[in-house]
Amino acid sequence: NAGVTQTPKFRILKIGQSMTLQCTQDMNHNYMYWYRQDPGMGLKLIYYSVGAGITDKGEVPNGYNVSRSTTEDFPLRLELAAPSQTSVYFCASSYLGTNEQYFGPGTRLTVT
Amino acid sequence: GENVEQHPSTLSVQEGDSAVIKCTYSDSASNYFPWYKQELGKRPQLIIDIRSNVGEKKDQRIAVTLNKTAKHFSLHITETQPEDSAVYFCAASRAAGGYQKVTFGTGTKLQVIP
Repeated sequence: NAGVTQTPKFRILKIGQSMTLQCTQDMNHNYMYWYRQDPGMGLKLIYYSVGAGITDKGEVPNGYNVSRSTTEDFPLRLELAAPSQTSVYFCASSYLGTNEQYFGPGTRLTVT
Repeated sequence: GENVEQHPSTLSVQEGDSAVIKCTYSDSASNYFPWYKQELGKRPQLIIDIRSNVGEKKDQRIAVTLNKTAKHFSLHITETQPEDSAVYFCAASRAAGGYQKVTFGTGTKLQVIP
């Protein structure tokens, strides 16, 4: 199993641009999550999904959108990028909400 | 919503000493408490977890204790080694709207001095 994969690994965006961060898992997990981690800080939940077609907001959803059309994929969309969105983004998945979360390698995003 | 507080934010110990990290949570409905280790530039990885029906769990040099009455749980690392240096996150998971929702603490940066 590849586990949780994310693309791209690095990206530089200009203010106002848009992009989609890709996340795929091959473990048939129900739950998937998007977190952002600012330098020296903890993990803040952006959005999560408990299954295909079901998503919900986390702690910091403003400026982001998600979709979950399949069990495997959970893309994160940034519209009108802002410098405040400069961060490392981690995707994660778990079988249930009371199981280990498996994290992807992260995407380092810089907005200038 | 759930609030998870973690202390200390930084911790330095001599190699061979023990390290203790403490977390408190606010929602008594929380029923799953994992701990993650994140090495510099790497992804977080689970090191140990505990469920609400258990008071203590141990895995080699790592142990976690849970006090449901006081709503706090702790990570204990004994005989620390330089490779234990990392950021450690606690988390609490609870049922919310029919689903489980996970809230992370703010992290503890552990430095083990050789």
